[in-house]
Amino acid sequence: DAGITQSPRHKVTETGTPVTLRCHQTENHRYMYWYRQDPGHGLRLIHYSYGVKDTDKGEVSDGYSVSRSKTEDFLLTLESATSSQTSVYFCAISRQREYNEQFFGPGTRLTVL
Amino acid sequence: SQQGEEDPQALSIQEGENATMNCSYKTSINNLQWYRQNSGRGLVHLILIRSNEREKHSGRLRVTLDTSKKSSSLLITASRAADTASYFCATDSNTGFQKLVFGTGTRLLVSP
Repeated sequence: DAGITQSPRHKVTETGTPVTLRCHQTENHRYMYWYRQDPGHGLRLIHYSYGVKDTDKGEVSDGYSVSRSKTEDFLLTLESATSSQTSVYFCAISRQREYNEQFFGPGTRLTVL
Repeated sequence: SQQGEEDPQALSIQEGENATMNCSYKTSINNLQWYRQNSGRGLVHLILIRSNEREKHSGRLRVTLDTSKKSSSLLITASRAADTASYFCATDSNTGFQKLVFGTGTRLLVSP
């Protein structure tokens, strides 16, 4: 699993509450990514980071923010969760040597009621 | 908009048979990758093919790339029940290779 952990692994929350998901890597890689996976949509990129305090938006960034204060941690925050954010969230890292081969965490299943 | 679209959406075969799944994409790419996802797990990288390559092999996997048609195929030979999973293609976006765009996947079921 390339030393990637996600926490929590499962979470149920209510509409309007803030939620923070954590991705932790042990391999000191520069690039980290947050995706969401929904039936019929495959994986869609939410945000990514190319270094400490360096982040950029992906395809579906509305309603999400991220922070990266340390190389090993990449946090995804839903400021005010909505039911449309019910999904499985995956973190990934990339070694970015020559090609963007990505390694994924185990995922977090989030349910917003 | 998504870059890759897989075909078929679902495929059911018997052990020992070959499985072929296809991916089409829309814009120029630097490379194309295939990933596998077992139920409830994260994606696992299988193979990468560069835009200047036409075919690549890795064990029972064979990937082809036709840049003129903007398509790729993944062939799994002599399928096993353990190959049951979803398979996704991913391409680097036309804004740089730091981001990948994934297709919607093909669900493969291999029955004993």
